[in-house]
Amino acid sequence: EPEVTQTPSHQVTQMGQEVILRCVPISNHLYFYWYRQILGQKVEFLVSFYNNEISEKSEIFDDQFSVERPDGSNFTLKIRSTKLEDSAMYFCASSEALAGGEQFFGPGTRLTVL
Amino acid sequence: DQQVKQNSPSLSVQEGRISILNCDYTNSMFDYFLWYKKYPAEGPTFLISISSIKDKNEDGRFTVFLNKSAKHLSLHIVPSQPGDSAVYFCAGSGSARQLTFGSGTQLTVLP
Repeated sequence: EPEVTQTPSHQVTQMGQEVILRCVPISNHLYFYWYRQILGQKVEFLVSFYNNEISEKSEIFDDQFSVERPDGSNFTLKIRSTKLEDSAMYFCASSEALAGGEQFFGPGTRLTVL
Repeated sequence: DQQVKQNSPSLSVQEGRISILNCDYTNSMFDYFLWYKKYPAEGPTFLISISSIKDKNEDGRFTVFLNKSAKHLSLHIVPSQPGDSAVYFCAGSGSARQLTFGSGTQLTVLP
C-alpha cells in the first residue's frame, strides 16, 4: 500500500540553525501539506501546496518557513533560523483530490531545538 | 482557537462493546469532517469521513454521525477491539482543505 515517508525521523539542532525536513508524498497525489504537533497540543496546519505553489498557509507559517518541491517526488519544509518553540512533531500529508479528499499522513519528524 | 473540540480526553470500553467518541465544532464553513486514529510515534491514520450534507456514513465497524443543527459529530466503533486502542482525532475541512483538528480522545479497549 502506498504511503507517505518522512526523513529524518528525529532531528536535533541548535537554536538559530537551519533545518530541512523531507517528505515523499504518495506518487499520484497532487496536494501536499505540512502540519505540526507541539507536545501536548493539537495537530496544527502549517501550509498546503498545489501545482508548485503555496495554496494556503497559517499564521504559524511566517517568513522563517518555506516549502519546496525540488523534484518530482520530494516535498520539503525549511526552517531558516530555528527557535526553541519550533520543537515539535512535523507531519507531511498528501491527498489525491481536493474536494473531500482524505489526507494521508507520514510518520512525522521529531524536531528538537536546543 | 477552539473550532473543533473533543471534550473527553479519554474513554475506556470493554472489548466487544460500542465505543462512542464525540466532537463538537463551531465553524459552519466546514464541509467535510474526518476521523483519524493515531498511535504513539506514528502519523494520524485516516478512518472515515462525512460530507456536511450527510448525516451518517458507515464503513465496516465504524460509523460517523453528523448533527448539523447541534454542530456535533460522533464516531461509533462496534464491536470495539483491543487493537482500536489509540488516540482519535476529529477534524473539520473547509474550502481550503486544511484540516482543523480537535485535541483528541484516548480510547482504551479493555480485553
